[in-house]
Amino acid sequence: SAVISQKPSRDICQRGTSLTIQCQVDSQVTMMFWYRQQPGQSLTLIATANQGSEATYESGFVIDKFPISRPNLTFSTLTVSNMSPEDSSIYLCSVSVGAKNIQYFGAGTRLSVL
Amino acid sequence: DAKTTQPNSMESNEEEPVHLPCNHSTISGTDYIHWYRQLPSQGPEYVIHGLTSNVNNRMASLAIAEDRKSSTLILHRATLRDAAVYYCILRAPFYNQGGKLIFGQGTELSVKP
Repeated sequence: SAVISQKPSRDICQRGTSLTIQCQVDSQVTMMFWYRQQPGQSLTLIATANQGSEATYESGFVIDKFPISRPNLTFSTLTVSNMSPEDSSIYLCSVSVGAKNIQYFGAGTRLSVL
Repeated sequence: DAKTTQPNSMESNEEEPVHLPCNHSTISGTDYIHWYRQLPSQGPEYVIHGLTSNVNNRMASLAIAEDRKSSTLILHRATLRDAAVYYCILRAPFYNQGGKLIFGQGTELSVKP
């Protein structure tokens, strides 16, 4: 299993600003994933982050808007840039662990943009 | 990405079994069937997964149709703590797309006392 800590747990931001979300795992993992969950909706995968390589973004998500860092095997950050009210969502980090590649999720960061 | 179809919502009585269906007619031979659930105000958590054979664990059972085009998650005795959104997901092997999970809309399960 894996224990994931996300910071901050929630934030209220002004439009046009940026927020960096941190994801810390209690063990070394190869694959980390960032998801967005808009109000009342399911999860949408933003990108897959491997240590030592560029993140792979899903259709509809771009690096300029959601830059991701993955400096080591236990840590990643997601930045939500130039925010607008449409970016108000829960952002979740997850990791894939073990031979069965089960994913474990953090509790999420609840972002409100005014 | 292969798609899954689930009912939007289901209702159950406490301490009764619950059968949550999932259709995945476009499943490929190497896709695993995964189930996750998301309790209110939490991140999703793993429930169970399988490839071809039925699977049991301490949380649930997974029944997979012989042609693999559908599956059913079985909660043997629903409790109030099982009220959640249940997601049926087809996951490609790790060597294909890194084993990423693509979530559908899921089934919102409510449990009545």
